[in-house]
Amino acid sequence: GQNIDQPTEMTATEGAIVQINCTYQTSGFNGLFWYQQHAGEAPTFLSYNVLDGLEEKGRFSSFLSRSKGYSYLLLKELQMKDSASYLCAVSDSNYQLIWGAGTKLIIKP
Amino acid sequence: GAVVSQHPSRVICKSGTSVKIECRSLDFQATTMFWYRQFPKQSLMLMATSNEGSKATYEQGVEKDKFLINHASLTLSTLTVTSAHPEDSSFYICSARSGAQRETQYFGPGTRLLVL
Repeated sequence: GQNIDQPTEMTATEGAIVQINCTYQTSGFNGLFWYQQHAGEAPTFLSYNVLDGLEEKGRFSSFLSRSKGYSYLLLKELQMKDSASYLCAVSDSNYQLIWGAGTKLIIKP
Repeated sequence: GAVVSQHPSRVICKSGTSVKIECRSLDFQATTMFWYRQFPKQSLMLMATSNEGSKATYEQGVEKDKFLINHASLTLSTLTVTSAHPEDSSFYICSARSGAQRETQYFGPGTRLLVL
């Protein structure tokens, strides 16, 4: 079957760095996405990885290892507004998104 | 990035009535649109996939006669919740994908439906 695993909840301190991991097993692979979702709002696109390696975009970076079925989202210089759920999703062989359950990130002052 | 709008943003209706939700891609042509439902503290659940000009493909467990989807143009898809009941109260989110950028889905802001 298809499966996306990510931690349910993480806590970090303002100004620090946090890494959110995602492992996946899917039928086919056409890329991995990270989305941010604030409570009561729709998801917003953060990153897309289809090749192995690290993609950096400002304070956020995303890493992919296809051979390991593994990705992480790295958030640096955490701000209070980064408190949100972070969703990992994999595009399968039909370009359908398979969603993880999301990681709720709590930022403390 | 691409912009997707949804209307209305929230709606309250009486049990037994029908509600239509519109999803529009504002600056690109969406060959495929997706409709999701999200209950509180849960992840997104895909309800159906619609391709412009053809019938929607519904996920298992989603009643196609209850959730009518129309994707009549490359910029508009509608979801109609027919004979809504309180258990249909949820956050409905659409996303759109262009043929040119087949990988990335862009999400609308969502519609919060409350059925009394």
